[in-house]
Amino acid sequence: AQTVTQSQPEMSVQEAETVTLSCTYDTSESDYYLFWYKQPPSRQMILVIRQEAYKQQNATENRFSVNFQKAAKSFSLKISDSQLGDAAMYFCAYHSGGGADGLTFGKGTHLIIQP
Amino acid sequence: EAGVTQSPTHLIKTRGQQATLRCSPISGHTSVYWYQQALGLGLQFLLWYDEGEERNRGNFPPRFSGRQFPNYSSELNVNALELEDSALYLCASSPGQGFRNQPQHFGDGTRLSIL
Repeated sequence: AQTVTQSQPEMSVQEAETVTLSCTYDTSESDYYLFWYKQPPSRQMILVIRQEAYKQQNATENRFSVNFQKAAKSFSLKISDSQLGDAAMYFCAYHSGGGADGLTFGKGTHLIIQP
Repeated sequence: EAGVTQSPTHLIKTRGQQATLRCSPISGHTSVYWYQQALGLGLQFLLWYDEGEERNRGNFPPRFSGRQFPNYSSELNVNALELEDSALYLCASSPGQGFRNQPQHFGDGTRLSIL
């Protein structure tokens, strides 16, 4: 079974600064997808960014980018120019390429943005 | 384009009762996933439906069941409610089994409270 670990229960960053959220995973599969979702207090889970395991190039979406280290099974999220609206719970998630299961989530990191 | 919609927003039940939660996927999506987000337990995969069939289920007892209708909307039924069933239940949809690289999109969830 796959596992996803987020070792930072809470992170704090000053507005306009850069923050990196950590995620490691364990799998024996070679075909899989990784995601970062954010969940603000409004509780809807919003997709931030995704990475296909077969792609070496790190995914980027505007101020959000990932550092995908497949050999180390690491998938960190970097948020540049942090904004107050970035405050939320951030979840790292794994999906098997076989698609037979749902997403496997980490426990989440609570990101606080200091004005 | 309408997103994933869930109803009701909040549901209050007592122990032993049954609860029914509903989900309408994004138009064109055939896969529906259900997740439980309980305090202290994180997000856990419950059920996956695609093309009207149950494709997989997570590690939950049989009193958690559901179905998917011809229009791809879905119901989650929880029988013999227990206090530990109190949680946020999230529904997600994706284009379907043939589109495993596509991310899941989530609804706002149903908060189930057991008294």
